[in-house]
Amino acid sequence: EVQLLESGGKVVQPGGSLRLSCEASGFPFRTYSMNWVRQAPGKGLEWVSTITNTAKVTYYADFVQGRFNISRDNSKNTLFLHMSSLRAEDSAVYFCVKGAQFGNWGQGTPVIVSS
Amino acid sequence: DVVLTQSPLSLPVTVGQPASISCRSSQSLVFTDGNTYLNWFQQRPGQSPRRLIYKVSNRDSGVPDRFSGSGSGTDFTLKISRVEPEDVGVYYCMQGSHKYTFGQGTKLEIK
Repeated sequence: EVQLLESGGKVVQPGGSLRLSCEASGFPFRTYSMNWVRQAPGKGLEWVSTITNTAKVTYYADFVQGRFNISRDNSKNTLFLHMSSLRAEDSAVYFCVKGAQFGNWGQGTPVIVSS
Repeated sequence: DVVLTQSPLSLPVTVGQPASISCRSSQSLVFTDGNTYLNWFQQRPGQSPRRLIYKVSNRDSGVPDRFSGSGSGTDFTLKISRVEPEDVGVYYCMQGSHKYTFGQGTKLEIK
């Protein structure tokens, strides 16, 4: 059974930094691209970033503007999202999602950017 | 950037009746490999999203056959042949042919 367990979300001040993690199990992690998607309270889904299986290629939504960095450790089946220069509008639940076709989703980890 | 426009945004349906959601793209979703990467997701209240349909019309394992996807190019549709109470939630289309974009979501409720 595919499992995606996000962690690292918390309350952070504007301008601060945070690292989210996603521990994956139940599938050959190193063979799949991985993604982060976020959902602000009461809002829709918003793609954030994608990393290929070998980490050679990464993609970001325009709103990231160089503030976020996606990475992975295939030896530990873990996906990361390093976020910096956080803004109030980055407040959301962040989901870890498996594969190029977004076939499996984690339960999400909440990030609140507030002073 | 590709924009996906869903309609309607709110969909009240009587149990047992059909429902249909449209997803229109600002540009063709046919990828260079010939595939069309248009997926549909269901998000029930308080839950994570779940994929229902991938590449336009392929139903995921465990998804009831009352759900079907169709379309091509820039126009796509998700149909529910007979709505059940457990279908309440928000439905999103998503394209993966030009990076990734989600539609705004369609909220299905029972009349």
